[in-house]
Order: sequence, then C-alpha cells, then structure tokens
Amino acid sequence: ELKVEQNPLFLSMQEGKNYTIYCNYSTTSDRLYWYRQDPGKSLESLFVLLSNGAVKQEGRLMASLDTKARLSTLHITAAVHDLSATYFCAVDLGLYNNNDMRFGAGTRLTVKP
Amino acid sequence: EAQVTQNPRYLITVTGKKLTVTCSQNMNHEYMSWYRQDPGLGLRQIYYSMNVEVTDKGDVPEGYKVSRKEKRNFPLILESPSPNQTSLYFCASSPQGAAYGYTFGSGTRLTVV
Repeated sequence: ELKVEQNPLFLSMQEGKNYTIYCNYSTTSDRLYWYRQDPGKSLESLFVLLSNGAVKQEGRLMASLDTKARLSTLHITAAVHDLSATYFCAVDLGLYNNNDMRFGAGTRLTVKP
Repeated sequence: EAQVTQNPRYLITVTGKKLTVTCSQNMNHEYMSWYRQDPGLGLRQIYYSMNVEVTDKGDVPEGYKVSRKEKRNFPLILESPSPNQTSLYFCASSPQGAAYGYTFGSGTRLTVV
C-alpha cells in the first residue's frame, strides 16, 4: 500500500529558529508537491519538485527531493509568525494511478514570538 | 480570474437528506477531482474525472456520486448522507492530472447530524 508519511505532525517553533519537515513515501515517483493551508482556507501550492536532486526556495522556505531515498524535506529558516500554517506534501502517482497525487497527513506549524 | 468555485462553503444537514455540492472551474481544465480532508488523514480522493462523461472512483467513493456533463462543472452528490461523511471537502482541477499541479476550491465544510 502506498504511504506518504510526514514528520512531525505538529511543530511548535520559536521565531528565528530553523527546522525541517520530512516527507517519506513508499512508491516510485519523480514529482512531489508542497502545499500550504491556512486555518479555514484552501490549499496553496508552494513548490513543485520535478526530478531527483531538485531544490526550490521561496523566502524562508526551501524544499528538496531525493527520489532514490523517497524523501522530500521542507526547511524553514529563521521562522516568523506568518509561516504558521499546515503544510502538506503530495506525491504524484502518475498515469497508471488515477493521474492523482497522494497526500501526507500534514504538519501543523505554529511559530511563537 | 482563474479559479475553482465551490458552493456552499458551509452546510449542516440531517442524516438521509440528499445534497449536492457544486464545483465549477473557468480554466478549461480537463481533469477534476473531489477530496475530503479529515484530521490526521490528509486529503483523500473521492472521485475524479479525466474529461466530460468520464468519471471514476478514487480511494474513498462509498456514499458519493458525481457527474461530468460539462467540462466546467463537477458536482458531488450525497444521496443519503450519514454522520461519517461530516468532513471538509475540496474540489480541484488541473489541465490533465497531478503532473500539472492542482488548483483547489475554497472548500465546503459539511456537517451531517
């Protein structure tokens, strides 16, 4: 059974600190997505990682993909309160699996002053 | 503005009373999908459609129906809602599936009592 596991599920950080969210998956895939969800809101696309070794950065967030290890990371640098949200990774299942993506359970991030 | 529009945003209903959640996209996307989001489980696919008159089951289709008579619309039908269908529902669309990324609607919070 395909599994997408995020760690941790809950993360409370102080402003200014660094931390990494991990996304492990159990199937072969070359594409992985990171989404952000604010409370009561829809999902907003953050990063699309399309190949092994891909690294994308936007502001204080940096995402990477290691397809051989089936691992993606979302690194937070010098966290600020505005980054408080739930972050989801999603794995592209490809043409032979509904053309769909499988989501992790989400990491709820709280950044405290 | 390119968007996916869901209605209603909030709905409280009673067990057994048929309801429809509408979803419309203005991007001429071929692929549309419905998800439900439950705490600790991430998003799970209910049904998807690769084009007009082409629909298929996702991971959790029991108790739901869909139709795709026009490219822009993809309604979700609950013929006889039950309390275990209380959830947050998202409609998403894409040019041709996960490889192109999804645009999500704003969500519908459904409560079945």
